[in-house]
Amino acid sequence: GQNIDQPTEMTATEGAIVQINCTYQTSGFNGLFWYQQHAGEAPTFLSYNVLDGLEEKGRFSSFLSRSKGYSYLLLKELQMKDSASYLCAVRDGDYKLSFGAGTTVTVRA
Amino acid sequence: ETGVTQTPRHLVMGMTNKKSLKCEQHLGHNAMYWYKQSAKKPLELMFVYNFKEQTENNSVPSRFSPECPNSSHLFLHLHTLQPEDSALYLCASSQDEGGGEKLFFGSGTQLSVL
Repeated sequence: GQNIDQPTEMTATEGAIVQINCTYQTSGFNGLFWYQQHAGEAPTFLSYNVLDGLEEKGRFSSFLSRSKGYSYLLLKELQMKDSASYLCAVRDGDYKLSFGAGTTVTVRA
Repeated sequence: ETGVTQTPRHLVMGMTNKKSLKCEQHLGHNAMYWYKQSAKKPLELMFVYNFKEQTENNSVPSRFSPECPNSSHLFLHLHTLQPEDSALYLCASSQDEGGGEKLFFGSGTQLSVL
């Protein structure tokens, strides 16, 4: 099976920056996704990386290094509404999508 | 609102009951999925349908039976479940299967099996 690792929990202060790391070991690679899931709600798409480098979307950025099997999601200028679970998901060589267990981010005032 | 609607939001059932979960998408997508989400565990793919045809069954026990009558609707029929089947069941859709297609998820059905 596929192996996708991300920290279980992170805590940060409002206005700060948090970086959520994701490492993966898959048979082949066809893209990496980040999703945000608020408690009791649907996961929603945040970003997609298939080539190495940084993708920036407003306060959120996602980075990928295929050679290292590594990605991170960077959340800047944290707001209380950013408290949520962040899911890393990788599509392997057979286009099968596997998810990590998610990182719960708590933003404190 | 993601365009994917699931009902019911919550369901409590006994091990001998039969119930069904419903999912509807209004996005014109061709692929639909059932996922199981247990606390502190990765999302677990159960079934995939593409153009109404089942393309993946991820070794799911037969007490879970999917049905896809058309590209907009997906059901999960449940019977003789076990307490360990208690989890959040998420439906998702995408334009097509594979590649860079992002998934649109419903809010899920929180299932408790007593």
